[in-house]
Amino acid sequence: DVVLTQSPLSLPVTLGQPASISCRSSQSLVHSDGHTYFNWFQQRPGQSPRRLIFRVSNRDSGVPDRFSGSGSGTDFTLKISRVEGEDVGIYYCMQGTHWPLTFGQGTKVEIK
Amino acid sequence: EVQLLESGGDLVQVGGSLRLSCAASGFTFSDLDMSWARQAPGKGLEWVSTVGRSGVGTNYADSVQGRFTISRDNSKNMVYLQMSGLRAEDTAVYYCATQRWLDVWGKGTTVTVSS
Repeated sequence: DVVLTQSPLSLPVTLGQPASISCRSSQSLVHSDGHTYFNWFQQRPGQSPRRLIFRVSNRDSGVPDRFSGSGSGTDFTLKISRVEGEDVGIYYCMQGTHWPLTFGQGTKVEIK
Repeated sequence: EVQLLESGGDLVQVGGSLRLSCAASGFTFSDLDMSWARQAPGKGLEWVSTVGRSGVGTNYADSVQGRFTISRDNSKNMVYLQMSGLRAEDTAVYYCATQRWLDVWGKGTTVTVSS
């Protein structure tokens, strides 16, 4: 199975400052069709998960442009350009290239 | 607007069975694969299963293979998760989501397996 390793697991941030989460895969996430099926999800406290980013760098509808995704192959990054209070929660990376689908452990983002 | 509404969660004993349902609306149901994922109390997310658009192709996590069965009824816009041989470690909130890519999630239904 593909193992996704996120870092850090806890990320205290100052409002208005940038934040970055890394996700490393145990194998390449490039599918045979050429796409890389790598997503980022946000789970606010008490809420269902919400997809933020699909196929590495594409923002879902309604996602603020302060969120951006980048990376390739086995190394991926989620960046928040200026953290706002509503960004508090747990962020998960996920790969949809290989069965079984797998998630990272989650990174808890909190305000300092 | 895409909406997914899960139901069927309950308290069940170890070894018991349960069927979860997910009612979908706001999109052409038969055009999309559908998935189930879960989250144990205080834990991270775990993909459980995905069913293809026609209901023929299915995939399962190793942890549920042979015990859970995913199915769908395109005439009713419903997806199901039949769970049997339930274990304490199956205790979780179960979410229905669109596609293999988990685009949109429901609010979840809670399954508690107790001895």
